Amino acid sequence: AAGVIQSPRHLIKEKRETATLKCYPIPRHDTVYWYQQGPGQDPQFLISFYEKMQSDKGSIPDRFSAQQFSDYHSELNMSSLELGDSALYFCASSSLAGGIQETQYFGPGTRLLVL
Amino acid sequence: DAKTTQPPSMDCAEGRAANLPCNHSTISGNEYVYWYRQIHSQGPQYIIHGLKNNETNEMASLIITEDRKSSTLILPHATLRDTAVYYCIVGKDGATNKLIFGTGTLLAVQP
Repeated sequence: AAGVIQSPRHLIKEKRETATLKCYPIPRHDTVYWYQQGPGQDPQFLISFYEKMQSDKGSIPDRFSAQQFSDYHSELNMSSLELGDSALYFCASSSLAGGIQETQYFGPGTRLLVL
Repeated sequence: DAKTTQPPSMDCAEGRAANLPCNHSTISGNEYVYWYRQIHSQGPQYIIHGLKNNETNEMASLIITEDRKSSTLILPHATLRDTAVYYCIVGKDGATNKLIFGTGTLLAVQP
């Protein structure tokens, strides 16, 4: 079965640079979530989109922005990168069916290293 | 969302059943119990979820107490590949159901 695709899988950036992470949800999934997992930490929710509209927001820095496009893929844009942004970034997708949000499935993640 | 409490770590012998407990005493009536696991640095993997009835699928069984204040995830025949951090998460179905991860239980399956 098709899974969530994330690209790139690994990314190395310098401080103050920008980065763009991409997420391609499972076909027919209309909701996308972004999570950040720092070294030795648990995943933390950043932001989510349903039908191209932001549906919820967590502890996402103002330097980060995200959007969902008409084909339901999503991009997380990160500017003025800091050393502390080094983390695994996971995207997950699900579908809203009959008013109920179904199970969330995660991608393999993007490992971002900021030097 | 209700808070969950899990033991930080557990050991299990290969081939034996692994029983992972979770307390969620503040769970409300419309909140589900979800279990995910994360094998080292991979994306969290959905295992199972339930509302009040016990559930079983090809991966595991979920036993929820009658008062819904705790639950147990059962892996019937643990293998080395089941070594992972297991997260018990309580959340609502709805227009958005962001997952709030706690610290989870590191299950180490021993040969």
